[in-house]
Amino acid sequence: DAKTTQPPSMDCAEGRAANLPCNHSTISGNEYVYWYRQIHSQGPQYIIHGLKNNETNEMASLIITEDRKSSTLILPHATLRDTAVYYCIVRVGNNNDMRFGAGTRLTVKP
Amino acid sequence: GAVVSQHPSRVICKSGTSVKIECRSLDFQATTMFWYRQFPKKSLMLMATSNEGSKATYEQGVEKDKFLINHASLTLSTLTVTSAHPEDSSFYICSAYPGTNSYEQYFGPGTRLTVT
Repeated sequence: DAKTTQPPSMDCAEGRAANLPCNHSTISGNEYVYWYRQIHSQGPQYIIHGLKNNETNEMASLIITEDRKSSTLILPHATLRDTAVYYCIVRVGNNNDMRFGAGTRLTVKP
Repeated sequence: GAVVSQHPSRVICKSGTSVKIECRSLDFQATTMFWYRQFPKKSLMLMATSNEGSKATYEQGVEKDKFLINHASLTLSTLTVTSAHPEDSSFYICSAYPGTNSYEQYFGPGTRLTVT
C-alpha cells in the first residue's frame, strides 16, 4: 500500500471548516483513499473513502486532486467533539489490510 | 452501521499470567478479523490477521506463541496474551471485515491491558 504523509497536528476554531491534507504521491491506480479518525481511547471510526471523484457524506467531504497524489478531508463545521487523530490511508479497495500512519491530531478550540 | 464489540474493555493482570481478549462482530459475519496494538501517543500497529477456521498471519516481529489468536467462528476472534509482562501493557484493538463487496473495516472500542 502507498505511504501517506500528514501534518502531525492542526488547530481549528469551533464552527469553522477543518481542512486536513494528505499526500500520497505513490498511490497506484487501484488504490482508494480512506479516512478514519480516533477519538482518545476509542477504536477508529470510518469517515469517508474515495477513488478519484470527490465524495461527500454526512460527516465530511473528500477532495482528491486530479493526479490523485494528494487529498483533503473537509469537516465543514468543526465542533469540539471532532477533536481526534485523523488517519489518511490508501489501499486497494476491498483489500483486507488497513495500515495506519502517524495521522494528524486535530484540536478544535472554542 | 455494523458493530464490533470487545471484552473486556479494561483488564489488569499480574506479570506471568495470561489474558484473553474477545472480539465479536454483532450484526454481521466477519471472514477476516485483525488485531492491532497501540502504545500511548502512537499509531495503531497491525499485529495479525485472522481468517475464520485457519491459522492467523502474524506481522514481522510479533511473536505468535505469545499472542495466540483463535478465529473459531465468523463472529468471534480471541487474542490471548500469554505470560504477560509489563511491556505488553497497551491498548489492543480489533477490527472485522465483512468480506467481498465491502470497502470498510469496522473497529472495536479497544481493550486497555495493564500488566503489573
